[in-house]
Amino acid sequence: QSVLTQPPSVSAAPGQKVTISCSGGSSNIANNDVSWYQQLPGTAPKLLIYDNNLRPSGIPDRFSGSRSGSSATLGITGLQTGDEADYYCGTWDSILSAGVFGGGTKLTVL
Amino acid sequence: QVQLQESGPGLVKPSETLSLTCTVSGGSISSSNYYWGWIRQPPGKGLEWIGNIYYSGSTYYNPSLKSRVTISVDTSKNQFSLKLSSVTAADTAVYYCARFSAYCSGGSCYSPDFDYWGQGTLVTVSS
Repeated sequence: QSVLTQPPSVSAAPGQKVTISCSGGSSNIANNDVSWYQQLPGTAPKLLIYDNNLRPSGIPDRFSGSRSGSSATLGITGLQTGDEADYYCGTWDSILSAGVFGGGTKLTVL
Repeated sequence: QVQLQESGPGLVKPSETLSLTCTVSGGSISSSNYYWGWIRQPPGKGLEWIGNIYYSGSTYYNPSLKSRVTISVDTSKNQFSLKLSSVTAADTAVYYCARFSAYCSGGSCYSPDFDYWGQGTLVTVSS
């Protein structure tokens, strides 16, 4: 049971837009920044979004992030088949004094 | 470009201690504002944060693993290590080391993210 809650799966057609939600609480998302990670099949996770809405160098602007209250959202526009991956949100929980991840969301581009 | 590489046995017997080392290249492990962490992923499952260490030796551990985990750092070798004791089959996972970018004070870390990851190493617990 993950501290952060994500939908197990989402799907959309190529070229469309998709959003992935990450729900937490007052001890984590509501009071700390959220990061998002993309894990392509058989590879290590890669940082996609940090500090809620910032993209590391090399990440296309098709990927965006936002945070409101105790929830965060990852958005992907202009979907490509190469975007098929597992996506994870992460932050810090001040009660646990520990890093926490969501359970992950599998994106299928139909 | 910072690079991380995990190393260690791929097979550990139940009740024994799992030991892994992460070698950092392309940057100093003694850089301020960076911690160094371990994350694991059981086959077919999600990510689980294990713990982080600062170059000074300050650590944070996952409460669910704290009694069995020790993370240490060797600044002279630009390495940090993980020891997990009394392992069972439930500890079978891909273990990743990563750089943890955050400002940590007291029990909290702010603006946290893992910005560089190793490729991961599969550790199987089996007799």
